[in-house]
Amino acid sequence: EADIYQTPRYLVIGTGKKITLECSQTMGHDKMYWYQQDPGMELHLIHYSYGVNSTEKGDLSSESTVSRIRTEHFPLTLESARPSHTSQYLCASSWGNQPQHFGDGTRLSIL
Amino acid sequence: GIQVEQSPPDLILQEGANSTLRCNFSDSVNNLQWFHQNPWGQLINLFYIPSGTKQNGRLSATTVATERYSLLYISSSQTTDSGVYFCAVDSGGSNYKLTFGKGTLLTVNP
Repeated sequence: EADIYQTPRYLVIGTGKKITLECSQTMGHDKMYWYQQDPGMELHLIHYSYGVNSTEKGDLSSESTVSRIRTEHFPLTLESARPSHTSQYLCASSWGNQPQHFGDGTRLSIL
Repeated sequence: GIQVEQSPPDLILQEGANSTLRCNFSDSVNNLQWFHQNPWGQLINLFYIPSGTKQNGRLSATTVATERYSLLYISSSQTTDSGVYFCAVDSGGSNYKLTFGKGTLLTVNP
């Protein structure tokens, strides 16, 4: 299985805080992705990157931002968390047109 | 964009039973993946199968790309097979983004 790591695994935090969700992979994959998943629902792509200094918005609009200054690292940031941001966030990576591999996800709860 | 439909939405089985899950998609695809999401939310790769048939233990999958569907077979189901099964497709070109179906919630009772 691919080595892709997300931290924290769970986060409960108050409204208005700045949050950064970490995602790292050790395979040298060029492509990385963030998906958002509400409970009992399907995954929706919110951000993706095809390489260093490349970031694009996905199919689902999100108030979060991302950066890709190193191949292995693709953090997601919420400047001011709101209860509507409560969800699970999953990070994935892939090489070329090969299958995507997912991290364990971060379950985010905004009070 | 491409549409992905999974059926059935819910399935309840007794341990030892067999099942077939279906994924229909609306356009040609470069990539099709089946995932199992466990109760802890972890998404596990089952198959990468844009066409053809693959088997892994009690699980197998077949994709008929020309007819735009894929099937996931689970034989001799176990309680640990419970969870949500997702099909996801990438419609190709320079687009490597996955579009997910809504999933099939499988419950295997002892």
